[in-house]
Amino acid sequence: AQSVTQLDSQVPVFEEAPVELRCNYSSSVSVYLFWYVQYPNQGLQLLLKYLSGSTLVESINGFEAEFNKSQTSFHLRKPSVHISDTAEYFCAVSATRGSQGNLIFGKGTKLSVKP
Amino acid sequence: DTAVSQTPKYLVTQMGNDKSIKCEQNLGHDTMYWYKQDSKKFLKIMFSYNNKELIINETVPNRFSPKSPDKAHLNLHINSLELGDSAVYFCASSQGPGGYYGYTFGSGTRLTVV
Repeated sequence: AQSVTQLDSQVPVFEEAPVELRCNYSSSVSVYLFWYVQYPNQGLQLLLKYLSGSTLVESINGFEAEFNKSQTSFHLRKPSVHISDTAEYFCAVSATRGSQGNLIFGKGTKLSVKP
Repeated sequence: DTAVSQTPKYLVTQMGNDKSIKCEQNLGHDTMYWYKQDSKKFLKIMFSYNNKELIINETVPNRFSPKSPDKAHLNLHINSLELGDSAVYFCASSQGPGGYYGYTFGSGTRLTVV
């Protein structure tokens, strides 16, 4: 079985500052990794994903995450945040094999960007 | 066009009532899911259907019964509602089972049991 730990439940940061949201996972098999974002009163949206290949993946709005197999981590980073990045961010993992490889989510990190 | 739509968006009901939440996706996906998000934002899978066949059935009370009339629809019926059922319920879909494709989520149904 897989599990996900998001180490910070809340991350306050000032606008234009860099941010890192930490995610560690546990799994006995190979995994796919995801970051989802949930804006207030909305559903989750896929931000970026790691399936295979390059360990650094990027989103269209400036976020990036790096898969580190040795540290079983998939931290999300952005060099300069905006007010509009304020949201809840969820890290998720699924096994690469098995037809029932549903997404297992972490408990979320609330990113609050202050002016 | 909304990709994954859920109705209703809000549902307030009394304990003991029976209610249904409907979900429809127009993405042509084969797999659909129900997730429950509790008051602390924790997301937990409840059910998954692939081409109308139940493939995931987590430890959920028997009062919850999913139904998939076709692969574009997955409804959730809840009997004898309890206070602890209050949560946001999300429907999601993906091209196939497994996490490879990622999920597309609906906007959620906020259920409040009073």
